[in-house]
Amino acid sequence: ETAVFQTPNYHVTQVGNEVSFNCKQTLGHDTMYWYKQDSKKLLKIMFSYNNKQLIVNETVPRRFSPQSSDKAHLNLRIKSVEPEDSAVYLCASSYAGQGGAETLYFGSGTRLTVL
Amino acid sequence: GDSVTQTEGLVTVTEGLPVKLNCTYQTTYLTIAFFWYVQYLNEAPQVLLKSSTDNKRTEHQGFHATLHKSSSSFHLQKSSAQLSDSALYYCALSDNMGYKLTFGTGTSLLVDP
Repeated sequence: ETAVFQTPNYHVTQVGNEVSFNCKQTLGHDTMYWYKQDSKKLLKIMFSYNNKQLIVNETVPRRFSPQSSDKAHLNLRIKSVEPEDSAVYLCASSYAGQGGAETLYFGSGTRLTVL
Repeated sequence: GDSVTQTEGLVTVTEGLPVKLNCTYQTTYLTIAFFWYVQYLNEAPQVLLKSSTDNKRTEHQGFHATLHKSSSSFHLQKSSAQLSDSALYYCALSDNMGYKLTFGTGTSLLVDP
């Protein structure tokens, strides 16, 4: 049963356009994440938020900006997309602060194609 | 920084035979947790196993893994591979607060009939 919801499932756009992806979790978790899965299936963290507060911000280009309205929602905006942004963006959630042994629950992902 | 190494990009095994997927790590954290996530075709990654206890075997869905801090390893094994086990497997290391999970490069497991 899906508990981390991502929209849209797919998005095709041109270089230089702005895109936004939405994520909502219904698990009551306090931490949410954005991961990027590239064409080689490498899975890399981009951001993590705990109770609307940015905790982890990896070396992500400044055109990427996460937005959290509450602990159940975490959106991702890309201001001016580049071809290398083509990937699957995975949202996840968990409970944090339990010694690191939290299980991440992933959404089904948003596949971005930049032409 | 932290790193997780999965040496095999692709492992092919015949149905019914044992399989082992390798995972080693480097970390500076004292309190750490390890995971194996599995991603089936066109699905999201999902947790398969997790452990934070040294030298304790963890089992789920026929798979098992033991965290060995002395050798910095958390290999995944199964005694009898099934066709339905074909998927992409990630080994992952969590920081001590759970705010960041570092994944290995993934190993594709292909089980042949």
